[in-house]
This record gives sequence, C-alpha cells and structure tokens, in this order.
Amino acid sequence: KNEVEQSPQNLTAQEGEFITINCSYSVGISALHWLQQHPGGGIVSLFMLSSGKKKHGRLIATINIQEKHSSLHITASHPRDSAVYICAVAQGTGNQFYFGTGTSLTVIP
Amino acid sequence: DAGITQSPRHKVTETGTPVTLRCHQTENHRYMYWYRQDPGHGLRLIHYSYGVKDTDKGEVSDGYSVSRSKTEDFLLTLESATSSQTSVYFCAITGQANTEAFFGQGTRLTVV
Repeated sequence: KNEVEQSPQNLTAQEGEFITINCSYSVGISALHWLQQHPGGGIVSLFMLSSGKKKHGRLIATINIQEKHSSLHITASHPRDSAVYICAVAQGTGNQFYFGTGTSLTVIP
Repeated sequence: DAGITQSPRHKVTETGTPVTLRCHQTENHRYMYWYRQDPGHGLRLIHYSYGVKDTDKGEVSDGYSVSRSKTEDFLLTLESATSSQTSVYFCAITGQANTEAFFGQGTRLTVV
C-alpha cells in the first residue's frame, strides 16, 4: 500500500494569488494523477504525470520521481478554482490508485 | 466527456438487504475500479477488474463482491448492507497503464 500525503488540508486564498498544493508518496509508482472535485460533484482528472512537468492553462503540475514528490500550482487563482484537489498515485498490476485525503481550496473574490 | 455512467445515482436501503451498483462504460477500457469516498478517509479501493471475468480485491473489500461479464459493465454488490457501507461510491476506468483515468458521477448510498 502506498502512503500518500497531501498538504495543506485546507487553503483559503484571495483571487489572483499563486497557489501550491503538495503531494508526497512512499513507494515507487507508475504515474501520479491530480484530480479535481467540486462540492457535490464528480471527479475530474487534471493531469497524469510520470515525469517532469505539465501545464494546462493556469494549472501547472510537476513531479520529482527521485524525491517521491509532486506539486500542483494554480497561477492567478479565481473563485471558480474553489474545489477539492486530490493527489492519486497509480501502482500495482491493476494500475490501481491510492489517494491523498485532498486539499480543500477556497478562493475569495 | 468519457462515456462512463453509474446507476443508480442515489439509493436508500435497509440494513441486511442486498444492493447492486452498476458501472457502464462505452470506451472499451480494460481496467475498471470501484472506490468509496468517506470523510476523513478519502477515496479507497474496493475491487478492480483488469478484464472480463478478471477481478481482484482492494483495501476495503470485505462485504463487497464484483462481477464483470462484459467489457462495458462492472457490477458492485453489497451482499448484506450495513450502516458502515453508507458512502459515496465512484467507478473509474483507465486504458493501459499510465493513461488518463475517468470517473463516474458517483452513487450516494445510505443504509438505514
């Protein structure tokens, strides 16, 4: 079983701020995913990473395989970014996920 | 949006009754998963499937069984529902390893 830790658990930011959410894991993985869940809503995949860095709009995700650490950055945050962000690592023969407990982000106008 | 549908979306059932949740995909993806989401625990794997009739247990499989008789359908059965199985259940699919995952909309199950 992979231990996945996220920080912070809760985060409140002013609109326009730069936001960073961190994720660390304990054992080797095949990939790391960042997911987004709005209140009462479903879960959407933002990024899948096995190395390096990816960017999509105002979101950037990085991973350091040697240090077993990943970060999700949101530039110029907006109230619509308010959601729970979940880090998930894929491992095992079934490519199954192990999840962090999530970071609840609130962006205030 | 990926074609993945869960049914029902909401269900209230009584303790001791059997319950079946259905996950249907139109993506022809090999891997299918059932997870439950609970406050303080996050998402945890119940069972997964890596092909038709090929399934395996996850970390919280006690009290649950699964079946996959067709590529597109993955059924989760609570053999005798208990209050501890009150949760939100998510189905997910992936293709090969290191590909994007897609999640269903979730099923909110309440056992009274």
